[in-house]
Parts: sequence; structure tokens; C-alpha cells
Amino acid sequence: GENVEQHPSTLSVQEGDSAVIKCTYSDSASNYFPWYKQELGKRPQLIIDIRSNVGEKKDQRIAVTLNKTAKHFSLHITETQPEDSAVYFCAASMRSTLTFGKGTMLLVSP
Amino acid sequence: DAGVIQSPRHEVTEMGQEVTLRCKPISGHNSLFWYRQTMMRGLELLIYFNNNVPIDDSGMPEDRFSAKMPNASFSTLKIQPSEPRDSAVYFCASSFSENAGELFFGEGSRLTVL
Repeated sequence: GENVEQHPSTLSVQEGDSAVIKCTYSDSASNYFPWYKQELGKRPQLIIDIRSNVGEKKDQRIAVTLNKTAKHFSLHITETQPEDSAVYFCAASMRSTLTFGKGTMLLVSP
Repeated sequence: DAGVIQSPRHEVTEMGQEVTLRCKPISGHNSLFWYRQTMMRGLELLIYFNNNVPIDDSGMPEDRFSAKMPNASFSTLKIQPSEPRDSAVYFCASSFSENAGELFFGEGSRLTVL
């Protein structure tokens, strides 16, 4: 089955800095790569996703890049704000089920 | 739409007791997923239903776990007998996509087995 590795497990940045979270996947047939944000005690919620026919996607301060050859994808958050503090999960899917990475706890200090 | 609805939100029980978690997916969604979240193992897929039929239950830990989806608007996850290592947050999620698409998660059920 699919295996998703996510790094780093924790990331601390100053407000206004950029944050980058990286994931690798094992199954070359995977074609859908979403990112979820989970605030403390809350449910995971989709923040951005990318499909395999696209190399990059951007939504305001958030961007995702995908390298299918290397089987890795990354989340980029620019101009971080304290409200960006949360756990971020990457995931990969080739049909209907998502396999999640272990998560990255992002802490943004004012 | 109210989103995915799970109950109970919190459950504290003693080892050996039966636990039943409930989920109502978003109306119109044809896929339903049960995930378990722990600090050590992250988000693990337990079972996946499509059109009320279990498609993949390879993530179900052992025979103590069972899940049903008797109709398009209701699913249960049962643990019998429960053990302390079952303590976790159990999320139900639904989606409407023939291929991979956005999952909508419920608020989760936090289970503590003493």
C-alpha cells in the first residue's frame, strides 16, 4: 500500500517568516495530494490540494508543489501568522482512500 | 448542511466494555471513512465504505473492531471488548467522488478506555 513520510515533525517560525513542510510518497500511481490543517481539539480541514497533472498550485499565502518524478510534494506558507499555528497533514491517494503523513506541528510566534 | 455528525463526542469506559461510535455523513456523499488518530500513529484509516458497502477494511486492528453502514445516512464503529490501547480520537469522514476528493471530517469521538 501507499506510504507517506512527512518532515519535519515540528516547525517553529517567527511571525512573517515562511514555512515549508515536505512529504514523500511511495506509490507512483498516486494522483491526488491534499493538505489538511488541524487546530488543537478540532477536526482536520482541507486547505489546498493538487492533482498529478499540475506541478504547482497557489492560494493566497499557501502554495503546494509536486514533483512526480521524485515522488515528493511540499506545502509553502508565506508571511506566517499566529493563527497558522496548527498541525498540518499531507496525504496521497490513487483511488478513493487517503494515506496521511504523521503531521507537522507548526508554531508561529508573534 | 450540518456537516458530518458524530456521537458521542467523548466516551470514557472501562476495559472490557462495548463501545459504539456513530456517524451521519453529509447528505449526498457516497463514501464514508473511519479514521483513528493517536499521537504515536497519526491518522490511520480503519475502514472505507462506498455506496454503503465495505470496500477496504484492512486497517481494522483486529476482530474486536467492527463497522456497519445499514443505509446511506448512518454508520457505526463498534469495539467489543474495549482495551486501554483503543484510547484515541475516532474520526468519521465522508466524500462524494468517484476518484479521490476532499474528505469532510466530523468533530471526532474521543474514546478513553480505563
